[in-house]
Amino acid sequence: DSGVTQTPKHLITATGQRVTLRCSPRSGDLSVYWYQQSLDQGLQFLIHYYNGEERAKGNILERFSAQQFPDLHSELNLSSLELGDSALYFCASSSAGYGYTFGSGTRLTVV
Amino acid sequence: AQKITQTQPGMFVQEKEAVTLDCTYDTSDQSYGLFWYKQPSSGEMIFLIYQGSYDEQNATEGRYSLNFQKARKSANLVISASQLGDSAMYFCAMSSSGTYKYIFGTGTRLKVLA
Repeated sequence: DSGVTQTPKHLITATGQRVTLRCSPRSGDLSVYWYQQSLDQGLQFLIHYYNGEERAKGNILERFSAQQFPDLHSELNLSSLELGDSALYFCASSSAGYGYTFGSGTRLTVV
Repeated sequence: AQKITQTQPGMFVQEKEAVTLDCTYDTSDQSYGLFWYKQPSSGEMIFLIYQGSYDEQNATEGRYSLNFQKARKSANLVISASQLGDSAMYFCAMSSSGTYKYIFGTGTRLKVLA
């Protein structure tokens, strides 16, 4: 157990639907990062939050949004889902510096 | 722009042998970090080793070592005494000072043969 908890582990949904992925960072970590891993794009950085504030944005679609709550957990909301959104979504957390710890991921399948 | 290149899509190694996974990077930043992660078939990302750009010594973590050649911008992972459990996808990644997002390579799939 890495200490970063992601729920759910698996999610199957239909095109056009909306889903929420949840991440609880490791205790004491203020930063949360979201990554998408797909077969065609590889591992792509989506967004970074630090202590509730958005710090950096990567290749995140406008249909996707995220937030970090006062208790430091984070949610990634994906809407108007398309088949191409099927991927493994990782959350990672860190306290300072470079190194961070990944959660076990949420595997999203859009059918 | 920053970039990580892993040129070996797949590799085989005999059990108990050593193997080197290649990684080259491109950045204009002076301060950066280099990482290797292992992703087994179960999907989780497991941190293996870290090298800072100002570290003069090559990083080592158990059977893992990072062969850091700054002038050549390479950060190869060496796994000694390979085990069957080392069969997995391996990703090289880079992060720069001021932004803690990682840029990942495309990965190398390693298969250890008994």
